[in-house]
Amino acid sequence: DVKVTQSSRYLVKRTGEKVFLECVQDMDHENMFWYRQDPGLGLRLIYFSYDVKMKEKGDIPEGYSVSREKKERFSLILESASTNQTSMYLCASSLIGQGQETQYFGPGTRLLVL
Amino acid sequence: DAKTTQPTSMDCAEGRAANLPCNHSTISGNEYVYWYRQIHSQGPQYIIHGLKNNETNEMASLIITEDRKSSTLILPHATLRDTAVYYCIVRVAPDAGNMLTFGGGTRLMVKP
Repeated sequence: DVKVTQSSRYLVKRTGEKVFLECVQDMDHENMFWYRQDPGLGLRLIYFSYDVKMKEKGDIPEGYSVSREKKERFSLILESASTNQTSMYLCASSLIGQGQETQYFGPGTRLLVL
Repeated sequence: DAKTTQPTSMDCAEGRAANLPCNHSTISGNEYVYWYRQIHSQGPQYIIHGLKNNETNEMASLIITEDRKSSTLILPHATLRDTAVYYCIVRVAPDAGNMLTFGGGTRLMVKP
């Protein structure tokens, strides 16, 4: 079974803090994604990566950065956390293919910025 | 990207089949229909996907109309643990990074 793990289920941080969210997948997937999910807004893509050291901006990259130094690990960084970044953060991974990729999600990290 | 339309919520009796509809009238020929679900406070879970033909796996069946403008996800014997939000997604083109775009979904409530 594909397993995607996230470093924390719940996190509380203060405004201005630097926040690291870690995601690890164990299926040798090329693609990895970071989404945030907010009530009424659905799932929105922040960044994705299709290979080590490669990254692409999603729909809402502002205020975030990412790091992919190893294939299995994709980190989301909030350089200076703000209250509007309080959200549920979801990591996903998938294989590269033509139309048949299935994204597998981690359990999510619920971040509260005070 | 093809947009999908789903009912906001549905109820289903435990043990009965749950039929969740989805309209995707602007779907293009090379786009797949994916279904995911999200149980409260968990990450989304893949259910099934298809292109033209009907598909079945251990979780559900997917019925796609011949014109591909709509589809129905069928949970043959719904249980209380199937209570979740179900998302119908039409997959965007590969050069967009294979991302998934989730809309509002259908909140399925399975009742005893």
